Amino acid sequence: QKEVEQDPGPLSVPEGAIVSLNCTYSNSAFQYFMWYRQYSRKGPELLMYTYSSGNKEDGRFTAQVDKSSKYISLFIRDSQPSDSATYLCAPQMDSSYKLIFGSGTRLLVRP
Amino acid sequence: DAGITQSPRHKVTETGTPVTLRCHQTENHRYMYWYRQDPGHGLRLIHYSYGVKDTDKGEVSDGYSVSRSKTEDFLLTLESATSSQTSVYFCATSRGPPDTEAFFGQGTRLTVV
Repeated sequence: QKEVEQDPGPLSVPEGAIVSLNCTYSNSAFQYFMWYRQYSRKGPELLMYTYSSGNKEDGRFTAQVDKSSKYISLFIRDSQPSDSATYLCAPQMDSSYKLIFGSGTRLLVRP
Repeated sequence: DAGITQSPRHKVTETGTPVTLRCHQTENHRYMYWYRQDPGHGLRLIHYSYGVKDTDKGEVSDGYSVSRSKTEDFLLTLESATSSQTSVYFCATSRGPPDTEAFFGQGTRLTVV
């Protein structure tokens, strides 16, 4: 079983839609839950992260973690064509330097 | 930006030839990583380093070796390139725990023909 599973998509939505991106993980020791955004032909960049369970909001983006079900979500409100990218979830342990990434979900926001 | 530079950015090489990819960082981050990214597989860890001359294998290390003689440089070598090593290679750095953020280079697109 992979440590983190993520639907590769692609996910195509119209501009203005609410987008839900999700991951599941298997290791209960994960404490940090990162989301990276990767534009085409670029390296991934950290978008936002949460620590432990709960929600975190940053503008149009909300990250949510449910540790009881080992489920990670990223919501994008009022999606824009500029949000078109691949989104990678990355759960991490706070004591480990091993960086783990989901396979990424490709999102296309149509104008 | 964390100041991570990969070179070359693009390379076409023939099967059986050795290839070295370079990652240079200016942030003095202790940890450095090499990943390959392929459709359907996402980012897979090849090798990583936790200090000068300290390296270890990742999940897809066969056919690859690494070296880190200075904090700022991390080299990835394909001793004898094969077509299965055609991929996009990313270098990443991090400060280390408890800071878990990774900083990535722009990637190297390698084609083995």
